[in-house]
Order: sequence, then C-alpha cells, then structure tokens
Amino acid sequence: EVQLVESGGGLVQPGGSLRLSCAASGFTFSSFPMSWVRQAPGKGLEWVSAVTGSGGNTYYADSVKGRFTISRDNSLNTLFLQMNSLRADDTAVYYCAKATTSWFYDCWGQGTLVTVSS
Amino acid sequence: EIVMTQSPATLSVSPGERATLSCRASQSVSSNLAWYQQTPGQAPRLLIYGASTRATGIPARFSGSRSGTEFTLTISSLQSEDFAVYYCQQYNNWPLYTFGQGTKLEI
Repeated sequence: EVQLVESGGGLVQPGGSLRLSCAASGFTFSSFPMSWVRQAPGKGLEWVSAVTGSGGNTYYADSVKGRFTISRDNSLNTLFLQMNSLRADDTAVYYCAKATTSWFYDCWGQGTLVTVSS
Repeated sequence: EIVMTQSPATLSVSPGERATLSCRASQSVSSNLAWYQQTPGQAPRLLIYGASTRATGIPARFSGSRSGTEFTLTISSLQSEDFAVYYCQQYNNWPLYTFGQGTKLEI
C-alpha cells in the first residue's frame, strides 16, 4: 500500500525556520516526482514546490522562491522541505503528494500544520 | 499561469439526487485535468484523471467529461459520504499545476 507520512510542522515565529519531512513507503520512491502542496486555513490548495525522481531538478512557486528548499533522500525514501524566513501567510497544512508517470497526483499524505505567529 | 475557475462555490443537493460540478480553464490544458474530493480534516483524494478516467476504487457514480476548456464532474446519485469539497486541478504543465478554488457540496 502506498503511504506518505508528513512530520515536522509546528508553531514558529515570523522569520523562523522549519524542516518538513515526508516518509514514503509502498512504491519505488526514486522513480516518481514528488511535490509539496499547501492549504491555508479555510482556503483552497496551492502548489508550493516539486522535485524530480532523481532530485536533480527542483521547482518553486513564486511565493516561496528563495525561502524554501525542496530535497529528497532516495536512500531513506524521504522528501524534505526546508522553510526559512517564514511569514504569517505561510501558515497552512502542508501535504506531500506523489506524481504518477502521467504527472497527476495519485497519493497524498495526511498533512502537517505549520503555524507562523508571534 | 493557467487559472482554473470552479462553479458554483456551493451546491446544495439532496441524497439520491444528481450533482453537476463545473471547472473552466483559462487556456487549453488538453485532457490533463484531475478531480479531487476532500472531506474535513482529510487529505485530498483522487477521483478522476485524464478528465474522464476514474481512479482505482472510485465508484461508478462519479464521472468526468470535457468540452474544450470546460470540464464537468457528475455524481449520479449522491450518497451521504459524497458531501465534501471538490477541487479540479490542471496538470498540463509540470510542475506548475493550478487548482480551482473548490466547490462545496452540501446537503
């Protein structure tokens, strides 16, 4: 069974940092691109960042470019999101999502809540 | 950026009735359109991909269709577990995917 489990969320002050993790199981992790998608409280879904299966190519939404870094460790079957210079509008549930070879997301984790507040 | 516009924002339907949800893309996304269902406190669940292909385990009462840049999700006979928020998403341009703002399906 394909499973994605996020961790690392919490309360952080504006300007602070957090590192999210997404542990994957049930599939050949290195074969699939992965993404982070977030959802602010009571709002819709927003794509944040993506990485290819090898980790060689990374992509970012303009809203997080220069502050967030996506990476993956295929030996650990784990996806990461390093978030620096956090702002109040980064407050959201962060989901990791697995892309298929046809590029749509077929599996999502349960999400981890990041709250940026003083 | 491709803008996805869903309508209506909220749809009130009775159990057993048919629900029709719409999604329009600001430019062509071919058939690279997915529908997701999200219940409170849960992650999105893939329902439809390729505009009209049901994902594994999705009941046949869910169907999707495309006409140009207009997409429709139809739920033929609503069950209690179908009342949720539904999102469309275009995946035509990896990885710059965009989502609609969602349609809340309520009783």
